[in-house]
Amino acid sequence: DAGVIQSPRHEVTEMGQEVTLRCKPISGHNSLFWYRQTMMRGLELLIYFNNNVPIDDSGMPEDRFSAKMPNASFSTLKIQPSEPRDSAVYFCASSWGSGAQETQYFGPGTRLLVL
Amino acid sequence: GENVEQHPSTLSVQEGDSAVIKCTYSDSASNYFPWYKQELGKGPQLIIDIRSNVGEKKDQRIAVTLNKTAKHFSLHITETQPEDSAVYFCAAPRGTSYGKLTFGQGTILTVHP
Repeated sequence: DAGVIQSPRHEVTEMGQEVTLRCKPISGHNSLFWYRQTMMRGLELLIYFNNNVPIDDSGMPEDRFSAKMPNASFSTLKIQPSEPRDSAVYFCASSWGSGAQETQYFGPGTRLLVL
Repeated sequence: GENVEQHPSTLSVQEGDSAVIKCTYSDSASNYFPWYKQELGKGPQLIIDIRSNVGEKKDQRIAVTLNKTAKHFSLHITETQPEDSAVYFCAAPRGTSYGKLTFGQGTILTVHP
């Protein structure tokens, strides 16, 4: 069974450009998480979906960030406009269930560099 | 919210030695404590977890212990091998919040052959 799939794996863009990161969760999972990882701040939860509905977006840094989950098998994280401080590795994770004890399975990540 | 502190930040051991990583948490309502291993260029992967109704759990060379009174839990790796070299993260849920985990800062483990 395929794990969480993320694309692109690497993205280099210039400041001010729009960036779209994509995620396909594990089939059958109904919870999806977007995380950002940096050396300074570690692993931070940005937003969490359950059954395609955003449950908590309190971790989204600002209005430049938006996330959608149009169906159970696809989610996007968009940054518009991008800034150099957005450079990080972005992970998508999925799990089955809605409680805090379900195992989260992480994708390979998208390494974003904003010049 | 939950606050998770992880120590040490780096750990270097010789192959065959044991490694111990410790985490403390602040929310006494937390009841699930996973450990993740992240290899270079990959996403974190769950290696073991423990729930609050047990004090210890083992899986081959890996074990986790939990002390709810002191609010700390530890990862123990015995007979370390070079392939154990990675970054290890502990995590704790933010109380009973749905799926929200707070991660520790990570420990870079290096196992020298």
